[in-house]
Amino acid sequence: QKEVEQDPGPLSVPEGAIVSLNCTYSNSAFQYFMWYRQYSRKGPELLMYTYSSGNKEDGRFTAQVDKSSKYISLFIRDSQPSDSATYLCAMRVGGAQKLVFGQGTRLTINP
Amino acid sequence: GAGVSQSPRYKVTKRGQDVALRCDPISGHVSLYWYRQALGQGPEFLTYFNYEAQQDKSGLPNDRFSAERPEGSISTLTIQRTEQRDSAMYRCASSLEGGKAFFGQGTRLTVV
Repeated sequence: QKEVEQDPGPLSVPEGAIVSLNCTYSNSAFQYFMWYRQYSRKGPELLMYTYSSGNKEDGRFTAQVDKSSKYISLFIRDSQPSDSATYLCAMRVGGAQKLVFGQGTRLTINP
Repeated sequence: GAGVSQSPRYKVTKRGQDVALRCDPISGHVSLYWYRQALGQGPEFLTYFNYEAQQDKSGLPNDRFSAERPEGSISTLTIQRTEQRDSAMYRCASSLEGGKAFFGQGTRLTVV
């Protein structure tokens, strides 16, 4: 079993929809949680960075962490075709630098 | 530079040859990471430097893989006696100490 599980999709939704992306994990020591966006043929780009449980909002993006359930989510409101990309969750233990990534979810927003 | 720079962007090598992949981190970033990403997968950790010190090499698959960062800036990942299973995208990332990691565009390695 992988430390971080993420549904690879693909996920296809119409423009303007609310998108929900999720990851589950098994290591209760993870304390830092990230979401990266990766366009085709590009490197991962950091979108959201959160510590421990709770919510964080940045524009159309909201990240949620539920440590009790070992479950993290990324919500995208008013989705745009430019949001079409692969979304990767990543996490690390406090005091360590190694990031553990999910497989990535491929998202397409249809105009 | 403005971002993490990796070279070459593409490398095709024959099985058994050695290859060296270069990473130039964002100016001022003391932490540097190497990851490997297979198609359709998330990046997989290889090794981590803080300044010139290699503090974690737990992800290096075997002793054919090594990395160095002698002056705490540019880093080189070397793969000796390459095998076909080494074919992948190799990504470098850098950060301020303990901070958010920014990735380069990667080097696509193909071993034929």
